[in-house]
Amino acid sequence: AQSVTQPDIHITVSEGASLELRCNYSYGATPYLFWYVQSPGQGLQLLLKYFSGDTLVQGIKGFEAEFKRSQSSFNLRKPSVHWSDAAEYFCAVGPSYNTDKLIFGTGTRLQVFP
Amino acid sequence: EAGVTQFPSHSVIEKGQTVTLRCDPISGHDNLYWYRRVMGKEIKFLLHFVKESKQDESGMPNNRFLAERTGGTYSTLKVQPAELEDSGVYFCASSSGQNTGELFFGEGSRLTVL
Repeated sequence: AQSVTQPDIHITVSEGASLELRCNYSYGATPYLFWYVQSPGQGLQLLLKYFSGDTLVQGIKGFEAEFKRSQSSFNLRKPSVHWSDAAEYFCAVGPSYNTDKLIFGTGTRLQVFP
Repeated sequence: EAGVTQFPSHSVIEKGQTVTLRCDPISGHDNLYWYRRVMGKEIKFLLHFVKESKQDESGMPNNRFLAERTGGTYSTLKVQPAELEDSGVYFCASSSGQNTGELFFGEGSRLTVL
């Protein structure tokens, strides 16, 4: 079955600390991978996406993610977290032929302490 | 440019009542999607419109849910009669359909069925 697993429901970090949010997927075909963020009072916003090529992708707001096919993972990272990064983060996977019907994970809520 | 707007932001109804959620996509976006997030769970696909046509409604839970997109502009999602398990956040998203993999989401409509 196709699925996305985000094992961490809630993460708390100090401002300035590094961050890694985990994402594992189960998908039968070549996956297209995404990270979305939902800040309080806003809709989901695309942070970055991976279709093919370089397995390390850069996104907005200083985020990056690395696709590891052997581990079926697409972890999101940021070297130094800012208080404004507090939000809920969703990993998603979509089929290569139709990128808009996405399968989402359950989300990881990030809390940032000053 | 206006983003995806959804109305109402929050609706509280009793079991058996009817609720209609509205979504206005980004102007010019032919693709419109409805997703739903039940508390603490993943965001799940409900259906996909291309202009006024239903392209994929495989995620609709049952026939108590009716989605329309008359004229290919805004869309409505009606739940009639509402049940307790329908509670959750209903997200609308739109895309230009150019397979960029980027969905533009609204803030969501939170539905609470008592």
